[in-house]
Amino acid sequence: GESVGLHLPTLSVQEGDNSIINCAYSNSASDYFIWYKQESGKGPQFIIDIRSNMDKRQGQRVTVLLNKTVKHLSLQIAATQPGDSAVYFCAENGNGGSQGNLIFGKGTKLSVKP
Amino acid sequence: DTEVTQTPKHLVMGMTNKKSLKCEQHMGHRAMYWYKQKAKKPPELMFVYSYEKLSINESVPSRFSPECPNSSLLNLHLHALQPEDSALYLCASSQDLSGSSYNEQFFGPGTRLTVL
Repeated sequence: GESVGLHLPTLSVQEGDNSIINCAYSNSASDYFIWYKQESGKGPQFIIDIRSNMDKRQGQRVTVLLNKTVKHLSLQIAATQPGDSAVYFCAENGNGGSQGNLIFGKGTKLSVKP
Repeated sequence: DTEVTQTPKHLVMGMTNKKSLKCEQHMGHRAMYWYKQKAKKPPELMFVYSYEKLSINESVPSRFSPECPNSSLLNLHLHALQPEDSALYLCASSQDLSGSSYNEQFFGPGTRLTVL
């Protein structure tokens, strides 16, 4: 089965609120994780990544948190905007040490209500 | 230029046809990938090329034949496909396959393939 999964398939938030998208992984050898955003009719767009030697990384309006103890990854989006509506995938490099073989989670669809 | 381009955007083919999907990047990346994505599902890795050599083949049927003519181009040759092969085919590239640094994969917009 898949080693990367998500807790919620859909998430609906009010514009301006913060969003939290969760992801669970099961491969202890994974040492690199990525969040992608995929809008309808487009390819996945890189948002932010994190290596296993970190537990937090921040970008513009986004933060990724990594909890290796419970194998959990989350993406926080601050002040969510309508343009953030998309499907969000987490991905891990299941091979550990090689970033060629990304394994994607099932995806969470984020809907932002104006 | 941080773009991965793919052609065609849409392709409809019969089960006896031969067609090719094309992917191009000019970021100097030495790793290129093909993924297949069915509706409402995550991308699934098909092939990985590293320095123009096939590095990973995820047990893909031989009716899909990848080719990497040079470091900027990646093709996927299609022959005798089945209707269940209909999907979005995504190309991606990354700097290389090194695990020593951040090395995100950049995706193209995909080719929407329909097999009749």
